[in-house]
Amino acid sequence: DVKVTQSSRYLVKRTGEKVFLECVQDMDHENMFWYRQDPGLGLRLIYFSYDVKMKEKGDIPEGYSVSREKKERFSLILESASTNQTSMYLCASSLLQVNTEAFFGQGTRLTVV
Amino acid sequence: SQQGEEDPQALSIQEGENATMNCSYKTSINNLQWYRQNSGRGLVHLILIRSNEREKHSGRLRVTLDTSKKSSSLLITASRAADTASYFCATDQSGGSNYKLTFGKGTLLTVNP
Repeated sequence: DVKVTQSSRYLVKRTGEKVFLECVQDMDHENMFWYRQDPGLGLRLIYFSYDVKMKEKGDIPEGYSVSREKKERFSLILESASTNQTSMYLCASSLLQVNTEAFFGQGTRLTVV
Repeated sequence: SQQGEEDPQALSIQEGENATMNCSYKTSINNLQWYRQNSGRGLVHLILIRSNEREKHSGRLRVTLDTSKKSSSLLITASRAADTASYFCATDQSGGSNYKLTFGKGTLLTVNP
């Protein structure tokens, strides 16, 4: 059974903290993604990666960075968390090919206080 | 930027009725996908329809795609209370290593017992 696992379901951090959100997939997928989801705005792509050490900016990369040192793991980093980064963060993975579906993790609800 | 836009934003029906959700998009696509999200959870892939297909079925789901109108519809027949969820369309404009799966804001479906 395919699986994308995010390290935390709920996370509370203080303003200014460095925050790491971890995502692991066991499907040998090339692509991995980070989205954030906010009420009324849907899902917005933050960053994606199509290979180890490769990263591409999505639609809203400001305030975030990512790391992909191993194929199965994709980390989202908030260098200095701010209250406007309070959101649901969703990790996903897919094969590097057209006409393929994305598999999502269960989400991390991050609250920055 | 939002590519897919679902309509309506919210839909409330009785168990046994059919539910229809629509999605409009702006640019050419490889395929269009529909996902489901139960409250506070990750997204689950439902169905993918390629740009050269017009209709596709999967169980109680029927998806149509009209590329001339840049629109798609998702029909859930004989709805059940367990179908209560948010439904998202996602358009795939990927090419090479340039991944682009863009989600709409979603339709919240409530099926009343």
